[in-house]
Amino acid sequence: GQQVMQIPQYQHVQEGEDFTTYCNSSTTLSNIQWYKQRPGGHPVFLIQLVKSGEVKKQKRLTFQFGEAKKNSSLHITATQTTDVGTYFCAGRYTGGFKTIFGAGTRLFVKA
Amino acid sequence: SAVISQKPSRDICQRGTSLTIQCQVDSQVTMMFWYRQQPGQSLTLIATANQGSEATYESGFVIDKFPISRPNLTFSTLTVSNMSPEDSSIYLCSVEAGPYEQYFGPGTRLTVT
Repeated sequence: GQQVMQIPQYQHVQEGEDFTTYCNSSTTLSNIQWYKQRPGGHPVFLIQLVKSGEVKKQKRLTFQFGEAKKNSSLHITATQTTDVGTYFCAGRYTGGFKTIFGAGTRLFVKA
Repeated sequence: SAVISQKPSRDICQRGTSLTIQCQVDSQVTMMFWYRQQPGQSLTLIATANQGSEATYESGFVIDKFPISRPNLTFSTLTVSNMSPEDSSIYLCSVEAGPYEQYFGPGTRLTVT
């Protein structure tokens, strides 16, 4: 079935270090979204990518969508303790209305 | 964006009973989604609810166990029926308020004893 793989499962960083999480699908996606879930909270929409090779930035966060629209990444530059949480990618396939979530990457930031 | 409220925020229930979770949105939306999330896990879609039609359930979820109502464009309920401890989880409703943008309610933390 359709599946979105996400790695790593966990990442421990020192404050100020960079962080990257990766998502991969075996099938071409029509779009990909990224969400952040703080501990004890609910997922919060961050951004969506639609175009092949698209790159979007939100302050220290950089989101990329692969040329083949099968993979995506989220990179955080110079992490801060406020970045702590779980980052989910979520993909949608052409013709579908269901969003498929990756397993999530839980980020721990040590001050 | 959309603002979503859920009730109750948490509950502890005895096995064999049922709990109905309410989801209210501050704007009219076509589709509402119900998810389940185990602690530390990803989100699993239970069903999609369109106003005026029966909900569409994902594999592994059935209407008898998780009946859903969608009486209008701003409200939905999910009932967890004949509960067992395996139903202990966080239940989240969400809506799509913009193209491919999902917004989630705060969740209902259910514990079944």
